Amino acid sequence: SQQGEEDPQALSIQEGENATMNCSYKTSINNLQWYRQNSGRGLVHLILIRSNEREKHSGRLRVTLDTSKKSSSLLITASRAADTASYFCATDARSSGAGSYQLTFGKGTKLSVIP
Amino acid sequence: DAGITQSPRHKVTETGTPVTLRCHQTENHRYMYWYRQDPGHGLRLIHYSYGVKDTDKGEVSDGYSVSRSKTEDFLLTLESATSSQTSVYFCAISERTGANQPQHFGDGTRLSIL
Repeated sequence: SQQGEEDPQALSIQEGENATMNCSYKTSINNLQWYRQNSGRGLVHLILIRSNEREKHSGRLRVTLDTSKKSSSLLITASRAADTASYFCATDARSSGAGSYQLTFGKGTKLSVIP
Repeated sequence: DAGITQSPRHKVTETGTPVTLRCHQTENHRYMYWYRQDPGHGLRLIHYSYGVKDTDKGEVSDGYSVSRSKTEDFLLTLESATSSQTSVYFCAISERTGANQPQHFGDGTRLSIL
């Protein structure tokens, strides 16, 4: 079952503008992660935010987490054409096997940055 | 980039044939995962491994089997491929389990079953 759901499904902006993507989830989490996927490539881990954190920064990325609303947002500031990609949130869930955790991914937001 | 190689990168086969996809890592990570990615569904976990010869099912495991005889290799087998298994398959690895562990992905295998 899909835990995280990104919004919007697609986003098109001009280079230099900020891009904001949202993720909503259904059950309690320990952490939430954001990944990027360039066309034809695998996912790349961007940033992780713990459930007791409200905001985290990494370069031009800013992630917020509101556990009361079960939502997170990813902000990319001063976007570049190279930021064109799909962005996914992933939430964790403890599995029954050997105490391991599984990640559940949303369907992604497709970001297009126009030069 | 994490040392993850998926092979083949592309494959076209016919319904009913067996298919094996390979994931090879050079990071000596304990955990390995197989996902499929389909439009409208995002990534879904098929099987994962938490050590040599230790595997478990994911969300969409029906029709798939896996094996891990060495730390570095994780094989995904479709015993009798069906058209519904046409997808892009991704392998991922992580060093440890735990809610705060990122996963590192290969570049995928695009599988078409006619």
